[in-house]
Amino acid sequence: KQEVTQIPAALSVPEGENLVLNCSFTDSAIYNLQWFRQDPGKGLTSLLLIQSSQREQTSGRLNASLDKSSGRSTLYIAASQPGDSATYLCAGTSGGSYIPTFGRGTSLIVHP
Amino acid sequence: KAGVTQTPRYLIKTRGQQVTLSCSPISGHRSVSWYQQTPGQGLQFLFEYFSETQRNKGNFPGRFSGRQFSNSRSEMNVSTLELGDSALYLCASSSGTQPYNEQFFGPGTRLTVL
Repeated sequence: KQEVTQIPAALSVPEGENLVLNCSFTDSAIYNLQWFRQDPGKGLTSLLLIQSSQREQTSGRLNASLDKSSGRSTLYIAASQPGDSATYLCAGTSGGSYIPTFGRGTSLIVHP
Repeated sequence: KAGVTQTPRYLIKTRGQQVTLSCSPISGHRSVSWYQQTPGQGLQFLFEYFSETQRNKGNFPGRFSGRQFSNSRSEMNVSTLELGDSALYLCASSSGTQPYNEQFFGPGTRLTVL
């Protein structure tokens, strides 16, 4: 059974910093790893999807990597802005399941 | 392409009542999944429907049920509401044809049980 862990649970940084959010998973036979953003009381917005055959994906200031052998994915946010403040969740799908397993998320605050 | 829509956005009910939530997936998507999100438990999977059939089910009591229509729209029903059912209910759609398909979420329905 896939388990997904996100560390740290919360992070507060000044504007302009480059950050790394971590996501660990237990089942290396992963089909994909998806990163989401959630603003308070809102739904999840898909940020990046990495298929098992890929090593990384990039979108603007965001870069996500996937290392199946070590069971890790990282989300890199360059030049953080206050608008990046949100909870970031990762989710992995594996084991023949169509249902992703979610981490508990990292709550990010970027202060001016 | 229109995104995932959920109605209503907010609901207030009292204990013992029942409630029906609706989700319209992205056009062409055949899979709809439902999740319950609370501060204490995080995001918990309820069930998934694919082509009008329940394909996966989480560990929730039978008071939680769902269905999917031929146009892929889905409804979720909760009967005999309890205070602990207060949560944000999210639905997600995907093409559903492969396990690695990308998931797209709706804005959620905030249910408050008094």
